[in-house]
Amino acid sequence: GENVEQHPSTLSVQEGDSAVIKCTYSDSASNYFPWYKQELGKGPQLIIDIRSNVGEKKDQRIAVTLNKTAKHFSLHITETQPEDSAVYFCAARSFGNEKLTFGTGTRLTIIP
Amino acid sequence: DTAVSQTPKYLVTQMGNDKSIKCEQNLGHDTMYWYKQDSKKFLKIMFSYNNKELIINETVPNRFSPKSPDKAHLNLHINSLELGDSAVYFCASSRPNTGELFFGEGSRLTVL
Repeated sequence: GENVEQHPSTLSVQEGDSAVIKCTYSDSASNYFPWYKQELGKGPQLIIDIRSNVGEKKDQRIAVTLNKTAKHFSLHITETQPEDSAVYFCAARSFGNEKLTFGTGTRLTIIP
Repeated sequence: DTAVSQTPKYLVTQMGNDKSIKCEQNLGHDTMYWYKQDSKKFLKIMFSYNNKELIINETVPNRFSPKSPDKAHLNLHINSLELGDSAVYFCASSRPNTGELFFGEGSRLTVL
């Protein structure tokens, strides 16, 4: 089955700086890669996703890049703000498979 | 107008007891899930139902029994609770075609 590794497990950045979280996956059939943000006491919420037919996707301060050859994808947050502090999860899923496999999570702390 | 709601939010109980967690979604989705999040924040899928049919059943002890009376509801019953069952249990539903997961706010189970 799919295995998703995520690094780092914790990340602290100064407000206004950029944050990068990286994930690798094992199943070359995976073609859908979402990122979820989990705030304290809440359920995870989708913030951005990418499919295997594109290499990069951007939504305001958030971008995701995908390298299918190396089987890794990354989340980039620019101009970080205190409200970006949360736990972030990457995930991967192959076509026709209902099972989404999550990475181990990254606790991001933005230092004011 | 909560999209995915689960009750109760908190459960504290003794080892050996039986407990249930209920989940309802008003999004009209066909597929619902139970995820377990342990103290290290790892998110692991337990079960998935599509239109009341079980489609994913991960390696979960048979003390855990999901039930889906209709496609808007997915309940989780746990028999003979053990200390290791302490976790936050998340219910989710998924949007067709995109596969985006919508999570509830979680039910924190503490077994003493």
